[in-house]
Amino acid sequence: RKEVEQDPGPFNVPEGATVAFNCTYSNSASQSFFWYRQDCRKEPKLLMSVYSSGNEDGRFTAQLNRASQYISLLIRDSKLSDSATYLCGIAHGGSNYKLTFGKGTLLTVNP
Amino acid sequence: NAGVTQTPKFQVLKTGQSMTLQCAQDMNHNSMYWYRQDPGMGLRLIYYSASEGTTDKGEVPNGYNVSRLNKREFSLRLESAAPSQTSVYFCASSDTGFGGGYTFGSGTRLTVV
Repeated sequence: RKEVEQDPGPFNVPEGATVAFNCTYSNSASQSFFWYRQDCRKEPKLLMSVYSSGNEDGRFTAQLNRASQYISLLIRDSKLSDSATYLCGIAHGGSNYKLTFGKGTLLTVNP
Repeated sequence: NAGVTQTPKFQVLKTGQSMTLQCAQDMNHNSMYWYRQDPGMGLRLIYYSASEGTTDKGEVPNGYNVSRLNKREFSLRLESAAPSQTSVYFCASSDTGFGGGYTFGSGTRLTVV
């Protein structure tokens, strides 16, 4: 099992749809969890940290399930501007600062 | 604030040539990282520096060397470039405490011919 795996894409959804991405991790000692957004030919930018209790930022909700070892990102009321690649980054056990990233999931929101 | 600055943004090298990618951050972060991003492979860690004065290998260190020049600067050197090193290179920085995740530079697109 790879350290970090993401849903294979691409996801094509209409405006206004709700879309969810999952990211599984293999190391049960993983400590820190993040979602990043990467636009085409740009650098990844931090979208959200993922906390044990779950967290929400506007239309975006991130959750952590330690028992099943995955994190999720839910986007409600999708906008055209949400079109991007979404990467999960996880700091695995023994290092709370060195991230392993998933390969990313491409989201296209269509008018 | 500039955040993380990488130079150059684009570079074409011939096989066997050497070059250094520069990275500087102005956020007083302790940790710095170099990743490469290839289609279908995602971001892979080349080297990192947990704090000034330390460097460690990541997942794909072969063919690269790094220098943590001071707290602000972390450079990546290709001693003898190979076509397999054609990639987009990202530098990133973070606090050691790591509550806030990474800040990435805008990347260097390197082509080795």
